[in-house]
Formats: sequence, C-alpha cells, structure tokens
Amino acid sequence: AQSVTQPDIHITVSEGASLELRCNYSYGATPYLFWYVQSPGQGLQLLLKYFSGDTLVQGIKGFEAEFKRSQSSFNLRKPSVHWSDAAEYFCAVGPSGGGSQGNLIFGKGTKLSVKP
Amino acid sequence: GAGVSQSPSNKVTEKGKDVELRCDPISGHTALYWYRQSLGQGLEFLIYFQGNSAPDKSGLPSDRFSAERTGGSVSTLTIQRTQQEDSAVYLCASSLSWAGAEQYFGPGTRLTVT
Repeated sequence: AQSVTQPDIHITVSEGASLELRCNYSYGATPYLFWYVQSPGQGLQLLLKYFSGDTLVQGIKGFEAEFKRSQSSFNLRKPSVHWSDAAEYFCAVGPSGGGSQGNLIFGKGTKLSVKP
Repeated sequence: GAGVSQSPSNKVTEKGKDVELRCDPISGHTALYWYRQSLGQGLEFLIYFQGNSAPDKSGLPSDRFSAERTGGSVSTLTIQRTQQEDSAVYLCASSLSWAGAEQYFGPGTRLTVT
C-alpha cells in the first residue's frame, strides 16, 4: 500500500540550531516527492519538490531535502532555524507516470516549535 | 496572480443539515483536488477532477459526500446529513496537470458540526 511516514509528531529546536525532519515512503514506483509547510490557520505552501535528477533539492526559505532511494526517504533539512519556521510540515508523494490517480498522499505531519 | 480561494472560511452547522463548500481554483489549472484535514489525521484525499474526465471519487468516505465542478473551474463539495465526525478543515488544491504536478492549496474551510 502507498503510504508516507513522518516518525516525529512534534520537534522542538532552538533558534539558530540545525533541523532535520524525517520522511519515509512506500510506493510502487519512483514517486514525485514534496514537502509542504502549514502555518496556523493557513493553507499549505510548497517548500520544495523532487521529480528526478540531482537527489539534493533546494527549496524556499533556506530548506533543502535529500532523496535516498535505497532508504525510501526524503528528509527535510535547514542549517539554521528561524523563529518564523515554527509551523507544521508535511511530506507527500505523488504519481510520476500514467494512471488515474493524481492525488498526493500525505504524511501526518511534524509540528515544529522553535525556542528563542 | 490570484491563488486558490475557498468559501466560507468557517462554517458551523447542526448535525443532520446539508452544507456546501466552494473552491475557486487558479485560472487555467485543469486539475482540482479536495482533501480533508482532521485533527491528528493529516490530509486525506477525497476527490479530484481533471479536465473533462470523470472525477476520481475513490477517497469519498461515504455517499453523503459529493462534488461537482462546473465549466471546468469552480467546484462545490456537498456534505449531506452532516455528522459530528465530518468536522474538519476541507482543503482545495489545483494544479496545471495531474501527473504529479505541484498542487497549490487554498486556505481551507473549517467545518464544525454541532
């Protein structure tokens, strides 16, 4: 079955510290991979996406993610967290080829808190 | 340009009533998706429309849920005979095509069934 697992429900880091949010997926083929961020009361904003090519992708707000096929992982990283990064982060997978399913499959999210 | 818009932003309804939620996608986007976000449950796919093709309804949780998309643009999600478990945030997204393309999300409609 297709699924996305975000093992950490809630993470707290200090401002200026580095961050890594974990994401593992189960999918029948190489999927498209996404990270979205949701601030309280807001919709989801795309941070970055992986379709093919370089397995290290850069996104907005200083975020990056690395696709590791052997580990079925797509972890999100940021070298130095800012207080404004406090939000909920969702990893998602989508189909990369033909077929009827166009929807994304989301993980349950990781809530990030930032200590001053 | 304008993003995805949804209305109303909040809806409180009594159990057993019908509700309609509206989504205006980004102009020119051929694919439109509805998701439901419940507390602690992440985002659950409900239904998606692609162009003039028949919608994929595989995520609808019961026959009380239906959706339509008129003229390839605006979509309405209807929940009949609402139940308390329908309380959630309903998110709409649109994209240029269905093949894994980037989806742009609206701000959502928070539905509370009392």
